[in-house]
Parts: sequence; C-alpha cells; structure tokens
Amino acid sequence: QSVLTQPPSASGTPGQKVTISCSGATSNIGRNTVNWYQHLPGTAPKVLIYSKNQRASGVPDRFSGSKSGTSASLAISGLQSEDEGDYYCAVWDDSLNAWVFGGGTKLTVL
Amino acid sequence: QVQLVQSGGEVKKPGASVKVSCKASGYTFHFYGITWVRQAPGQGLEWMGWTSAYSGNTKYAQKFQGRMTMITDKSASIAYMELRTLTADDTAVYYCARRHFYGEGDNHFDPWGQGTLVTVSA
Repeated sequence: QSVLTQPPSASGTPGQKVTISCSGATSNIGRNTVNWYQHLPGTAPKVLIYSKNQRASGVPDRFSGSKSGTSASLAISGLQSEDEGDYYCAVWDDSLNAWVFGGGTKLTVL
Repeated sequence: QVQLVQSGGEVKKPGASVKVSCKASGYTFHFYGITWVRQAPGQGLEWMGWTSAYSGNTKYAQKFQGRMTMITDKSASIAYMELRTLTADDTAVYYCARRHFYGEGDNHFDPWGQGTLVTVSA
C-alpha cells in the first residue's frame, strides 16, 4: 500500500488526451516537488517530469505535469501507441524520511 | 553519452548475499549521487536508498537498513549495492540511477541502468 495513490489503469485512443492522478499528503506532495517516470516494457524507467514541472531532456511537450495541494497529475496529449506502459509518480516524504513511489498506472492505448 | 551499466543477473539461495555493480560513464561521477530502486515481479517501483558519490554518505530506506550496503569507487566510477540475508521476497530487478539534487525535497533520477535481475530460490 503506497502513500501515493494512483489509479491502477488508464486508457485512451490515439490522439486523445489522458490524465493520470497521484494523490498524497502534506508531508510529501504538499511540500516537495513531484517526479513522473515512464516505464515501458523491456526498458529501464525514464524520468518525464521533475522539479517544478520541468520536462526532462528529449521528452516531447505532449507530456506535462501539474500540482495542486496534495495532488499531482500527469497529462499526455496526442496519445501515441508508443506511450503504452507504466507511469509512476514519486516524491520525497518528510515524515517517512524516504523517497516514495506511487503504485503505478498502466496506460493502454486502444 | 551519460550511461549506467549494471552487472549481470544473479541466482542466489535463501540466506545468501548479492552484490550488484553500476558502472557510470559520460559524466563526472562524484558530481552526482547514485540511488537504488527495485521492482519485484508484478509489483511497482520501490526505493531502496541513495549514496553520495562525492562523500560516500548514505541514506537507506528503513526497510533495508542493516541488511543493505551501498558504496562507491570514485577512481573507477562504479557504485555497488550489497543486499544480505536474501529471501524469496528479494527476487526483483534492481536498478541504479543517477541522482540529481536541487535542494531538500527536490531530486530526480536520470538516467537509469538497464537493471539486474536477482532471483532468490532454493
């Protein structure tokens, strides 16, 4: 049971916009910056969004991050088949004194 | 280009130890930290800890405190993670990643190594 709550699955058709949520607490999302990682089948995880919603190098602007209070979201617009995979939010938790990952969201492109 | 290359897969018996290496290239090793993350079969990502390649300071997740050791060899640009007293629950893919630190509560991990599968089985 992760301290960050993500929906287990999300889906969309090519070209659509999909949003993945990440719900936390004051001690984590409320105080610190949120990362988003993409984990495609057979590859290593890759950072998409970091710090104050900065896109990592090489990440298309179809990917964007936002945060409000103790929740964060990853939006993927212009959905493509190659976006199919797992997505994780991650953040430092001041109370646990540890880095925490969300449980992950499996994105399916229909 | 910046790259982290990990050692190959391991099969261990319960109670044994495993040591995974992570060779860095393409950047100044001691300017960044190294973090370790694992993924058990069918599960999500789990942070294990991180170490400063400059000072050797470490931070372990409570779950692994006392059973895990992270060290870095600055001269060879290699990080090591040792996990002891293995059980079947430690079967997982273990990843190293370069840690970027911007301030308290502002970090990210990029790039990641290719992963090392550790299988614990009698």
